[in-house]
This record gives sequence, structure tokens and C-alpha cells, in this order.
Amino acid sequence: QKEVEQNSGPLSVPEGAIASLNCTYSDRGSQSFFWYRQYSGKSPELIMFIYSNGDKEDGRFTAQLNKASQYVSLLIRDSQPSDSATYLCASRRSSASKIIFGSGTRLSIRP
Amino acid sequence: DTAVSQTPKYLVTQMGNDKSIKCEQNLGHDTMYWYKQDSKKFLKIMFSYNNKELIINETVPNRFSPKSPDKAHLNLHINSLELGDSAVYFCASSQDTWNTEAFFGQGTRLTVV
Repeated sequence: QKEVEQNSGPLSVPEGAIASLNCTYSDRGSQSFFWYRQYSGKSPELIMFIYSNGDKEDGRFTAQLNKASQYVSLLIRDSQPSDSATYLCASRRSSASKIIFGSGTRLSIRP
Repeated sequence: DTAVSQTPKYLVTQMGNDKSIKCEQNLGHDTMYWYKQDSKKFLKIMFSYNNKELIINETVPNRFSPKSPDKAHLNLHINSLELGDSAVYFCASSQDTWNTEAFFGQGTRLTVV
């Protein structure tokens, strides 16, 4: 079982709609969670991070964490073509430096 | 100013050669990493250094040897390159080993022929 699992996609969403990206993790010791966006041929860049159960909003992005279900999600409101990318979910234990990445979900926003 | 910079960006070399990739960060971070991203885009950690000390060494062939001359630099040397080493290698840094995010370099696309 992979430590961080994501559906590889592609996930196709019409422009202006809400894109919902999901991630599950197996290590209950994980304390912090990250969403990175990676455009083709580019390096990953941090979109959001979340440590506490519940929702965290930043502009059009909302991260949701449910530690009991070991589930993290990222919602993108008012999806734009520029949101088309691969989204990587990552987790980290508080007592170690290793950031574990999922294999990523490819998101495509269709005009 | 580039926060995490890697050189070279592209590297094409023959099997059996030895090559190095350099990484430097100007963020003042204590922790640096090397990640390998394969053709399926899976990003996997290889090594992590904290203040020049090796703290994570994943199951990586010993042909791969990281070197950290100071906490702002983490270089990766690869001996006897194999076809399967072809991938994109990302250097990253974070403030410390706790709950902080990693910032990535632009990546080095290594192609072994």
C-alpha cells in the first residue's frame, strides 16, 4: 500500500466549475499535509498546506483534512484553464523530515 | 533571485559515466533534499540533509552519493550511470525538519543513453 494515494486522472472539469481533488494517506502519524501543483516540465510549487482537521481557504483554493478518515482534499473554485496541471498531495510526520508524495492527479480544465 | 537552483538543467550522458548535479539554496534553510521523479511523475525522496548531516537515506543504490559542503549546498554524484537512472532529479529545501513545506529547484532532466 502506498503511503499517499491519489487517483491519477485525468480529471476533466469545465471552466468555472469546482474541481475536487482527493488524497488518502496510510500513516496515522502524519501531521502535516501539502498540495503542490506541477505544470508539465516544471518543478512542483506549493499551493496549500494544512495541519488541523477541517477546512482551510485561500482564495479559490480550499484544503480539507479529516484525520479520522485519513483523507485530504483540495477544492478549486471557479476553475480556470491555467489550473490545468498535475496536483501532488504530500504528507509529513512531525518528527521526521521526509515529505511523502502521492503520484499526482492530472487536472484538465476544458473551456 | 532563484531560491533553489540546480545545475545543469539537462544532462545527457552515456551508460557507465559518472556525473554530478549541483544544488544551492539562498533561503537560509536548514534542510535540503534530493527527489527523483520518474516517467510516471512519481516523486520519491532519495536523501535528506539537515545542517550538512545526512538524516534520510532511502533505498538508493550506493552509486548515488550526496555531498553537503555547507547547509546551503547539496550536490548529487552518480557513478556508473545506468539506463534506469534516467529521470528528473529535483533538489528541494525546507526551513527545518518539522512542519514546513519544501521549495523545489527547477529540476535536472537526466537522460542516460
